[in-house]
Amino acid sequence: DSGVTQTPKHLITATGQRVTLRCSPRSGDLSVYWYQQSLDQGLQFLIQYYNGEERAKGNILERFSAQQFPDLHSELNLSSLELGDSALYFCASSVDRPHTGELFFGEGSRLTVL
Amino acid sequence: ELKVEQNPLFLSMQEGKNYTIYCNYSTTSDRLYWYRQDPGKSLESLFVLLSNGAVKQEGRLMASLDTKARLSTLHITAAVHDLSATYFCAPNTGNQFYFGTGTSLTVIP
Repeated sequence: DSGVTQTPKHLITATGQRVTLRCSPRSGDLSVYWYQQSLDQGLQFLIQYYNGEERAKGNILERFSAQQFPDLHSELNLSSLELGDSALYFCASSVDRPHTGELFFGEGSRLTVL
Repeated sequence: ELKVEQNPLFLSMQEGKNYTIYCNYSTTSDRLYWYRQDPGKSLESLFVLLSNGAVKQEGRLMASLDTKARLSTLHITAAVHDLSATYFCAPNTGNQFYFGTGTSLTVIP
């Protein structure tokens, strides 16, 4: 158990809909990262938050948004869903430098868009 | 942006054999991480390499880092079936992680 909690574990929805994925980082970790993993795209970095502020943005679509709340949990909002958004979405947290800085991944949220 | 290339992408090896997975990256990075992922599961941290010349070993896996050559290797010794998984390297600059495409390893009895 990495200590990172993601909900829901599985989600099935229809095209055009909106969903929210939730992530609670490990206790004490200020950074939260979101990744998308699909079969043909590998592990794609979406966005990073640090202590409530957006720190870095990767290949995140405009239809997607995220935020990190004062209690450090984070939510990833996916809207106007398309079939191609079906993927495993991972949240990871880290304690950042000067510590080892490794990422600890949650179990993921598997999104299926029909 | 830092580019990461892992090879091979797919590796099928017999139990008891040795093999090395290579991770090349395009620009300076002072630390690198290796992760393991079982099918449909999360990513599990294997090694944290924090400096040039770092070598870490755990069981049948050994990882090394050469920051000057921008190369990390993951060596598998006397492979066993339980090592079948996908292995990712992730060089790190600042607080950004750049994941390779992964190496899918299958160990055949």
